[in-house]
Amino acid sequence: DAGVTQSPTHLIKTRGQQVTLRCSPKSGHDTVSWYQQALGQGPQFIFQYYEEEERQRGNFPDRFSGHQFPNYSSELNVNALLLGDSALYLCASSLGRNTGELFFGEGSRLTVL
Amino acid sequence: AQSVTQLDSHVSVSEGTPVLLRCNYSSSYSPSLFWYVQHPNKGLQLLLKYTSAATLVKGINGFEAEFKKSETSFHLTKPSAHMSDAAEYFCVVTATDSWGKLQFGAGTQVVVTP
Repeated sequence: DAGVTQSPTHLIKTRGQQVTLRCSPKSGHDTVSWYQQALGQGPQFIFQYYEEEERQRGNFPDRFSGHQFPNYSSELNVNALLLGDSALYLCASSLGRNTGELFFGEGSRLTVL
Repeated sequence: AQSVTQLDSHVSVSEGTPVLLRCNYSSSYSPSLFWYVQHPNKGLQLLLKYTSAATLVKGINGFEAEFKKSETSFHLTKPSAHMSDAAEYFCVVTATDSWGKLQFGAGTQVVVTP
């Protein structure tokens, strides 16, 4: 049974560029959440997708957007990249949106130069 | 609003000795609390959860945590550390009005020495 898979695992971008990160949830899960983990810090909630709609959002600017597809997979898009966007981006899936029991992927490491 | 404070950024223990990771929480609502573990180059994994049932919660790999409302604490313990316990541990809170939006602490790095 495949867990949460994320791609790419590592990528390097320059300031002002745009990036798309992808996530496939654990089999049977219908909800996807995204978190940003800066070096040496705990993960910060970006947003949650359920039934192809953004259901909850953390304190992140509109440059951060997402999408959920009918097969429950998800994308995170970040526009106009800043140096401060360099972080590990974690995708988590769950069965239902009202649970704290999340299954996390290994993350996508984004470096902005 | 809810938040958690992990009182130690680093903890070093000898193999076979007890582990104590301290966490205090703040919540306007009746909180749900979790501990997650992050091993190097691995995804975060749920260790245990408290959701207003028993105050002493048992998790995987011999870990347990006790919810103390009077002290607003949710400390994580293990009687005997193993080398495989070396990892980063996060205390996490969520509120009943925002399930699924986890608020992570800053983390405690655990080092286990032989």
